[in-house]
Amino acid sequence: NAGVTQTPKFQVLKTGQSMTLQCAQDMNHNSMYWYRQDPGMGLRLIYYSASEGTTDKGEVPNGYNVSRLNKREFSLRLESAAPSQTSVYFCASSMQGAPNTGELFFGEGSRLTVL
Amino acid sequence: SQQGEEDPQALSIQEGENATMNCSYKTSINNLQWYRQNSGRGLVHLILIRSNEREKHSGRLRVTLDTSKKSSSLLITASRAADTASYFCATGGSYIPTFGRGTSLIVHP
Repeated sequence: NAGVTQTPKFQVLKTGQSMTLQCAQDMNHNSMYWYRQDPGMGLRLIYYSASEGTTDKGEVPNGYNVSRLNKREFSLRLESAAPSQTSVYFCASSMQGAPNTGELFFGEGSRLTVL
Repeated sequence: SQQGEEDPQALSIQEGENATMNCSYKTSINNLQWYRQNSGRGLVHLILIRSNEREKHSGRLRVTLDTSKKSSSLLITASRAADTASYFCATGGSYIPTFGRGTSLIVHP
């Protein structure tokens, strides 16, 4: 089992460019999440999907869009990248969502630099 | 705002010593989880403690939860150099898991 797979692992963009981060899980989990991690800030939730067909904003959704393509895949799109979006992005999944969210499984991260 | 906050921010110890880190949170929870992150890697789940539990063990890990004080502690006994990592608590309640800023643990050989 691959677990949670994120692509790409590294990406450099110019301000204003767009891109999509892909995430797929093979554990038949219902809930999926996108977090960003910045130095000294911990992990902050961008968007999450409690189940297939639903998405909700997290703590820092501005500048991002998401798509829960099917139960396996949850993508994060930057429509017009800004230097403030330079970060490491983590996708995660869990069998259950709130209010009894269990163990989260994380991908290895996507390191994005916006120049 | 972040629900869980770890303390201390950084901890440096010698191999063989015990490492204790704490987590405080603000609102009611259903469970609290601890994760480890090695440098440049994703987070890995260590242990989950439910709100009706007070203590839980897993190998060299011991987690306590005090819901009256809204706090938890993670104890790593007999630390090894391989335990060098950042440790995060995540609180699960009526919303999705929120993470603190983490404790950076360095274990010197």
